[in-house]
Amino acid sequence: KNEVEQSPQNLTAQEGEFITINCSYSVGISALHWLQQHPGGGIVSLFMLSSGKKKHGRLIATINIQEKHSSLHITASHPRDSAVYICAVPPQGGSEKLVFGKGTKLTVNP
Amino acid sequence: EPEVTQTPSHQVTQMGQEVILRCVPISNHLYFYWYRQILGQKVEFLVSFYNNEISEKSEIFDDQFSVERPDGSNFTLKIRSTKLEDSAMYFCASTHATPATNEKLFFGSGTQLSVL
Repeated sequence: KNEVEQSPQNLTAQEGEFITINCSYSVGISALHWLQQHPGGGIVSLFMLSSGKKKHGRLIATINIQEKHSSLHITASHPRDSAVYICAVPPQGGSEKLVFGKGTKLTVNP
Repeated sequence: EPEVTQTPSHQVTQMGQEVILRCVPISNHLYFYWYRQILGQKVEFLVSFYNNEISEKSEIFDDQFSVERPDGSNFTLKIRSTKLEDSAMYFCASTHATPATNEKLFFGSGTQLSVL
C-alpha cells in the first residue's frame, strides 16, 4: 500500500510569491500525478511525471524517484491559483487506481 | 479539450432509495473510474472498468454498488440502497491507459450526492 503525505496542509501567500507544495510517498512508483481541485469541487490534472521536471506556464513539477518525493512550484502566484493541490500515485503491484494525498489548500491574497 | 461529462450535478435522495449517477467518458478512452470524496476527506478509489468489465474495486465498492456501460458511451454507477454515509461527491474519470503508465486522468465535474 502506498502512503501519500503532503505538506503543508494549508498555505496562504501574497500575490506574486513563489509557492512550493511537497509530496512524499512510501513505495516506488512509475508515475506521480499532480491535480488541482477548484473551490467548486472539480478536479483537473496538472502534471503526470515519472522523472525529472515538467513545466507548464507558471507551474513546475519535479520528482526525485530515489527519495520518493515530488514538489509542485508556482511562480508569480495569483489569486486565481487559489485551490486545493493534490498529489496522487498508483499503489504497488500494477494497480490501475490512484491513491490520493489529503491535499494542500492554497490561498493567494491580492 | 475533450471533457468527461457527469449528470446530475446534484442528487438528493432518501436513505434506502436507489440512485444512478451517469457519466459520459471521453470517446477514445479505454479505462473508466469512479472515485468519491466525502466532505473534508481525501479522494478515494471505488472501481475501475476496462474492456466491459470491472478490473479493480475497493473495499468500499460492496454489493450495494454496481457499474455499467450500457451503450458504449455512458458509464453509470448505481447504488441500490443508499445509506447516510454514501453522501459524498462522486467523480467519474477516464484515461486512454492506466494512470500508472504516465497517462493523464480526465475527471468529470462530479455529482454531489446527499442522502437524507
